[in-house]
Amino acid sequence: DAGVIQSPRHEVTEMGQEVTLRCKPISGHDYLFWYRQTMMRGLELLIYFNNNVPIDDSGMPEDRFSAKMPNASFSTLKIQPSEPRDSAVYFCASKLGEGQGNSPLHFGNGTRLTVT
Amino acid sequence: AQTVTQSQPEMSVQEAETVTLSCTYDTSESDYYLFWYKQPPSRQMILVIRQEAYKQQNATENRFSVNFQKAAKSFSLKISDSQLGDAAMYFCAYREGGSEKLVFGKGTKLTVNP
Repeated sequence: DAGVIQSPRHEVTEMGQEVTLRCKPISGHDYLFWYRQTMMRGLELLIYFNNNVPIDDSGMPEDRFSAKMPNASFSTLKIQPSEPRDSAVYFCASKLGEGQGNSPLHFGNGTRLTVT
Repeated sequence: AQTVTQSQPEMSVQEAETVTLSCTYDTSESDYYLFWYKQPPSRQMILVIRQEAYKQQNATENRFSVNFQKAAKSFSLKISDSQLGDAAMYFCAYREGGSEKLVFGKGTKLTVNP
């Protein structure tokens, strides 16, 4: 299995621009998570999906952030407009839920976002 | 809300020696899971070991073992025979049973000296 695939690996953009981060979960996994990692706040859960449906988006910082999962093999995290404080590493992760064998959480390699 | 605390921002160990990383957590639940993740400079998060709260026996994975003290809400990671490749950030994490949300500590940076 190729694991969780994220793109791009690095993204540099100017303040005010739209940014779209992409994720392909492991095939068959029914849960998908978006995490943000910063030095100050550590790893924060932004949102997670079960069977493509958003379950908990309480970690999404503000309306500038949105996430979608149009099908079982693809998810996006969009920031519009981006701000310098959004600079962070964004991780996507997937797993099988407790009803499906309860696998550990598998992470992608992350996208390092820099907003200037 | 559940919290996970790693009180050691940085630790160092000599190659081949043993090191213990500390983690405490706060919860009122009895059914939960605990994890240690490793994040090397490559940035990828790698599961090291996990523990189910209902199990009294401490989990072990080769050179990695945990000391799970449920009453004290403590979950430390012991790395034996440390190797240069063990150098990384280590994150302790908690997940409540029936929930899929994983809550992470702030991490401990481990340096292995040759």
